[in-house]
Amino acid sequence: GQQLNQSPQSMFIQEGEDVSMNCTSSSIFNTWLWYKQDPGEGPVLLIALYKAGELTSNGRLTAQFGITRKDSFLNISASIPSDVGIYFCAGPRDYGGSQGNLIFGKGTKLSVKP
Amino acid sequence: NAGVTQTPKFQVLKTGQSMTLQCAQDMNHNSMYWYRQDPGMGLRLIYYSASEGTTDKGEVPNGYNVSRLNKREFSLRLESAAPSQTSVYFCASSELGRPRTGELFFGEGSRLTVL
Repeated sequence: GQQLNQSPQSMFIQEGEDVSMNCTSSSIFNTWLWYKQDPGEGPVLLIALYKAGELTSNGRLTAQFGITRKDSFLNISASIPSDVGIYFCAGPRDYGGSQGNLIFGKGTKLSVKP
Repeated sequence: NAGVTQTPKFQVLKTGQSMTLQCAQDMNHNSMYWYRQDPGMGLRLIYYSASEGTTDKGEVPNGYNVSRLNKREFSLRLESAAPSQTSVYFCASSELGRPRTGELFFGEGSRLTVL
C-alpha cells in the first residue's frame, strides 16, 4: 500500500541554522503537503505542492515536489525557536473519495539543541 | 472565529465503556474527518464525511462509529473501548479545492486513555 517515509525522524536545531528534511514514497503522488504540529495542537498546513518540479516558498520555508513524483523536500532557513515541533508530509490516497483522505508520514521532530 | 472545536479534551475510560467524541466546525465546510495519532505513527484516518448525509471508512475504522449530525457536527463513538484505542483523536474539516486542495483544518485534539 501507499506509505510515506520521512527522514530524519528527529533533529536538533540551533537558532540560525538551516534545516532540511525529506519525504519519500514507492508510489507516485500528485500532491505533496507539508504540515506542522506544535505541542498540544492540531497540525497546520504550511505548504502545498501540486506539480512535479514545483518549488514553493512560505517565508523562511521552501518545499519542492520531486521530479519523479515520489519525493518531496522541506527546507527551513535561519531557524528560530518557534520552528520546534513535528513536521509531517502528507499526500492524498490514490483511491480518492475525498481530497482530505490523506496519508501522513510519521513526522520529523525538531527540537532545540541543549 | 473558533474553527474546529472538539470535546472533551481529555477522557479516561475503562475497558468496555462507551463514549462519544464531539466535533463542530463553524467554517461552513462540507467535509469532515476523524484522525487518530499514536506516538511515532503519524495520523491515520478513521472515518470521514465528504458531505452532509454521507460517511465513509478510512484506514482504521474498526471499533468506531460516526454520525454526521448536520453540516457543522461530526461525532465519533467508541461502543466498547479497548486499550488499543488509547490515542489522541483529531477532528478536521475541509472545503473542496478551497483555499488549497488537501488543506485540512484541525481541532486541538481529544486525548483518550483506556485502562
